[in-house]
Amino acid sequence: EDQVTQSPEALRLQEGESSSLNCSYTVSGLRGLFWYRQDPGKGPEFLFTLYSAGEEKEKERLKATLTKKESFLHITAPKPEDSATYLCAVPPQGGSEKLVFGKGTKLTVNP
Amino acid sequence: DAGITQSPRHKVTETGTPVTLRCHQTENHRYMYWYRQDPGHGLRLIHYSYGVKDTDKGEVSDGYSVSRSKTEDFLLTLESATSSQTSVYFCAISGAGQSDGELFFGEGSRLTVL
Repeated sequence: EDQVTQSPEALRLQEGESSSLNCSYTVSGLRGLFWYRQDPGKGPEFLFTLYSAGEEKEKERLKATLTKKESFLHITAPKPEDSATYLCAVPPQGGSEKLVFGKGTKLTVNP
Repeated sequence: DAGITQSPRHKVTETGTPVTLRCHQTENHRYMYWYRQDPGHGLRLIHYSYGVKDTDKGEVSDGYSVSRSKTEDFLLTLESATSSQTSVYFCAISGAGQSDGELFFGEGSRLTVL
């Protein structure tokens, strides 16, 4: 049973065209939701941790938000260097030692 | 960048042969993990370690074993490799002293089993 679902699977944007990526989760008693960025041929790189509904975190053109059932990664005026696969992950009820990752959204930003 | 080194970075082997992947960290972090990443499945946890000689299974542990005899090294062994174990393997470490979901990943080891 998938605990983390990301949509869309792939997203193509023009440079400067803002959009959002979605991460929905089914874990009860959330102990944090984590966003990562992965470039081709590289390991994932940590971006954000969100712990409670209503929380927001920002980094450059990225802003992550959290509700009780989903998280959004908003990308404002993206640039080609924002192209990557974005992953979200949640710990199951057993604790954060066993993060469950979504399958990711592959973002391509065209110049 | 977190000091994580995986070796080998690429390996091609034949079905039935043993394979060991090594993860070395210079951060003195307590937690170390092995994940595999496959198209259509995303990242899945194989095993993790919470200290020297302390390990536990993840979601897809069948066919894999691990060992951690020193804080800095975490080994993943495929006793008898199968084609279904063709994948990209990532080592990760987390938080000095505790696991907090903020993982630092290595560059990955691409394994092909023929």
